[in-house]
Amino acid sequence: EAQVTQNPRYLITVTGKKLTVTCSQNMNHEYMSWYRQDPGLGLRQIYYSMNVEVTDKGDVPEGYKVSRKEKRNFPLILESPSPNQTSLYFCASSYQGAGTYEQYFGPGTRLTVT
Amino acid sequence: AQSVSQHNHHVILSEAASLELGCNYSYGGTVNLFWYVQYPGQHLQLLLKYFSGDPLVKGIKGFEAEFIKSKFSFNLRKPSVQWSDTAEYFCAVDLGGGFKTIFGAGTRLFVKA
Repeated sequence: EAQVTQNPRYLITVTGKKLTVTCSQNMNHEYMSWYRQDPGLGLRQIYYSMNVEVTDKGDVPEGYKVSRKEKRNFPLILESPSPNQTSLYFCASSYQGAGTYEQYFGPGTRLTVT
Repeated sequence: AQSVSQHNHHVILSEAASLELGCNYSYGGTVNLFWYVQYPGQHLQLLLKYFSGDPLVKGIKGFEAEFIKSKFSFNLRKPSVQWSDTAEYFCAVDLGGGFKTIFGAGTRLFVKA
């Protein structure tokens, strides 16, 4: 089954304790992105990747890091989480073929930083 | 800066009522347009998309949207909503060929049975 998976689905942590949220897709997509979803703000793009070893900042990259060492994986790293990073995080992947594409989203990771 | 505006944050309708959700974007170049839906507790799913051609696009579950270039709008419509359409709806604009996407703030739709 074609899918985007994220782990963990729920995480409660404390300020300053480094964490990683994993994202993996099995569709051989070139493009991957991370978003955070906050009430009233919709989804905001944190980072995106166009291919292995090619990443760039989205609209809200502060406090986050990413890496793309393999095509299928795109982990999101919070080196020193703070309470303002409490949010719902979505990973997405997409292809571009014949001039059309769409993003496929993971199930989300709900992060609480206390 | 580019932005996407959704006119209504909350909409409450009775079953069988017609739905129209507004979406406007601010970007003068070529864009690709999407509507996604997020059912309670689930991830986002694509409803429909517009890239080129007929500005009236049809999606899943009876939804359609019309692209009006002169108004920078991409409004979502459904003639008759069902209770199962209760969800949050997001308009999105892609600026970067599939990897640079801006989402609107979302519209929460509640359909009364």
